[in-house]
Amino acid sequence: DIVVTQSPLSLPVTPGEPASISCRSSQSLLHSNGHNYLDWYLQKPGQSPQLLIYLGSSRASGVPDRFSGRGSGTDFTLKISRVEAEDVGVYFCMQALHTPYSFGQGTKLEIK
Amino acid sequence: EVQLVESGGGFVQPGGSLRLSCAASGFSVSDYDMHWVRQPTGKGLEWVSCIGTAGDTYYGGSVEGRFTISRDYDENSLYLQMNSLRAEDTAVYYCAREFSNNGIDYWGQGALVTVSS
Repeated sequence: DIVVTQSPLSLPVTPGEPASISCRSSQSLLHSNGHNYLDWYLQKPGQSPQLLIYLGSSRASGVPDRFSGRGSGTDFTLKISRVEAEDVGVYFCMQALHTPYSFGQGTKLEIK
Repeated sequence: EVQLVESGGGFVQPGGSLRLSCAASGFSVSDYDMHWVRQPTGKGLEWVSCIGTAGDTYYGGSVEGRFTISRDYDENSLYLQMNSLRAEDTAVYYCAREFSNNGIDYWGQGALVTVSS
């Protein structure tokens, strides 16, 4: 099974400042079709998870352009260009290349 | 409007069974890969199971052999039959849909399952 590891697990950020979360996979997530099967989700307090980024770098519908995903193979990064108060919550990456799908441990973003 | 509404959660003793349902609206469950994902209180997400558009089924190692995923086209619903339940199965269970590897784009509100003596 593929193991996905996130860092950091806690991320205090000042509003307006950038933020970055790392996600590493125990196996390459690069499919032969050229896509990386790595997604990013945000779970806001008291809510269900919501999709932010799919296939490594594609923003989901309605996601602000301050969110971006990059990386390939085993190393991926979610970047927030300027953090806003509404971005607080827990961020998860998930590999979708092979079943069983697997999530990272989660990164809790809080506002300083 | 796409909606997923779970039901069937509750309290069950270890070794017991429970069946979760997920009523879908705004789309057909037959057109999407459908998933169950669970989350113990205060902890992270764990992928449980999925059923593909062709009816192929997949399970996480911790539930393989005990849980069964299925769907009903007429009811437009997804199900999770959970047998031989253990304390470690206690969690909120989310029903969710995925379109062609483009991420899990809709999630239900979750159903709480508590396994305890």
